[in-house]
Amino acid sequence: SQQGEEDPQALSIQEGENATMNCSYKTSINNLQWYRQNSGRGLVHLILIRSNEREKHSGRLRVTLDTSKKSSSLLITASRAADTASYFCATDYYGNNRLAFGKGNQVVVIP
Amino acid sequence: EAQVTQNPRYLITVTGKKLTVTCSQNMNHEYMSWYRQDPGLGLRQIYYSMNVEVTDKGDVPEGYKVSRKEKRNFPLILESPSPNQTSLYFCAITGGIDQPQHFGDGTRLSIL
Repeated sequence: SQQGEEDPQALSIQEGENATMNCSYKTSINNLQWYRQNSGRGLVHLILIRSNEREKHSGRLRVTLDTSKKSSSLLITASRAADTASYFCATDYYGNNRLAFGKGNQVVVIP
Repeated sequence: EAQVTQNPRYLITVTGKKLTVTCSQNMNHEYMSWYRQDPGLGLRQIYYSMNVEVTDKGDVPEGYKVSRKEKRNFPLILESPSPNQTSLYFCAITGGIDQPQHFGDGTRLSIL
């Protein structure tokens, strides 16, 4: 099955810096979603971007989508220690809420 | 606020002993699904349900069963668990197309 693939897989940054993660996918999608997971906990939805949208913001988060390149990026600005988590992209490529998840991107923010 | 409740949260059991992981929601959403999460593999969908009595296989359904007799509940059944089903399991719900999914806190299963 198709999956999003995040790049880089692990990121370590200082508090206050920006963190950028990329996600690529293989086939046409209905939407792309980003989720955060704190260690051992459930996933928390961050942003959903539809296939006809190019950019979306939510607080310190900015997501872009380039359907021609089949890729998305998640930018976390002015990172905080509390942003330490794993971040997953997920694509809804069936258009029926079936999500294909990437393997995750571990972000460590050093205070 | 959407609440997805899974039970048990942790379970250690032995090969072949049938078990059920329950999932219930408070939102009356039609769509529910089960995922398993394994290191290095991300989340993979096991089964999903688009409404009562409507279920379908996800990407890794082998060894699992589900039922959806009422909208609120979507139990995951392992009839004869095996060690390769040791994993972290998540139930999720969503309100419809282009809506986010809300996840439970997860159930960590260890099959010895």
